[in-house]
Amino acid sequence: ETGVTQTPRHLVMGMTNKKSLKCEQHLGHNAMYWYKQSAKKPLELMFVYNFKEQTENNSVPSRFSPECPNSSHLFLHLHTLQPEDSALYLCASSQDRGLAGGPGETQYFGPGTRLLVL
Amino acid sequence: QKEVEQDPGPLSVPEGAIVSLNCTYSNSAFQYFMWYRQYSRKGPELLMYTYSSGNKEDGRFTAQVDKSSKYISLFIRDSQPSDSATYLCAMIRIIQGAQKLVFGQGTRLTINP
Repeated sequence: ETGVTQTPRHLVMGMTNKKSLKCEQHLGHNAMYWYKQSAKKPLELMFVYNFKEQTENNSVPSRFSPECPNSSHLFLHLHTLQPEDSALYLCASSQDRGLAGGPGETQYFGPGTRLLVL
Repeated sequence: QKEVEQDPGPLSVPEGAIVSLNCTYSNSAFQYFMWYRQYSRKGPELLMYTYSSGNKEDGRFTAQVDKSSKYISLFIRDSQPSDSATYLCAMIRIIQGAQKLVFGQGTRLTINP
């Protein structure tokens, strides 16, 4: 496997279910990200992890719970979601979350998990 | 007002045409500018990356940045059906000592054979 992988690719869940999205990067990067992509909206950054530490949480509801056990893996735990949470959830990684700018911030995306909440 | 504005399209052009995709932004603090391409059922992939005002060319693709007008463009020459995708502009600014990456909405492009 190369690049950034995500599983599952598709997920249908009820509002009372609990599920988890998984992301794995094989690029040796230190920063990982969760994004939400809804129709007709820009990509919304949800969480950022840098060297396994969460550095950003962009006012995401607590029904979304991220977990980063190591620099290569990132999870998004889902519970009691709402229909409006239906979207494409994208994981990305970058070399780091450094301040210098330039290539260090270049993010590589996985294929996404298409989530439908019924 | 959105920080980054991008016409969502859809945009449909014949094969071989020159395509122009554009974004405007409101915050002059943005320093780095990128274009991502996203095929259907795939994640975005970085296409081009620029820093300063001016043009940057890579094969059939040219990225243009005009910081004075807060306007960026991506030109595709000799467009091919395989260029059909959603194109997202993205830009970086520094906020509270860290980089913040902001995306445009994306423009859906179709190249007709």
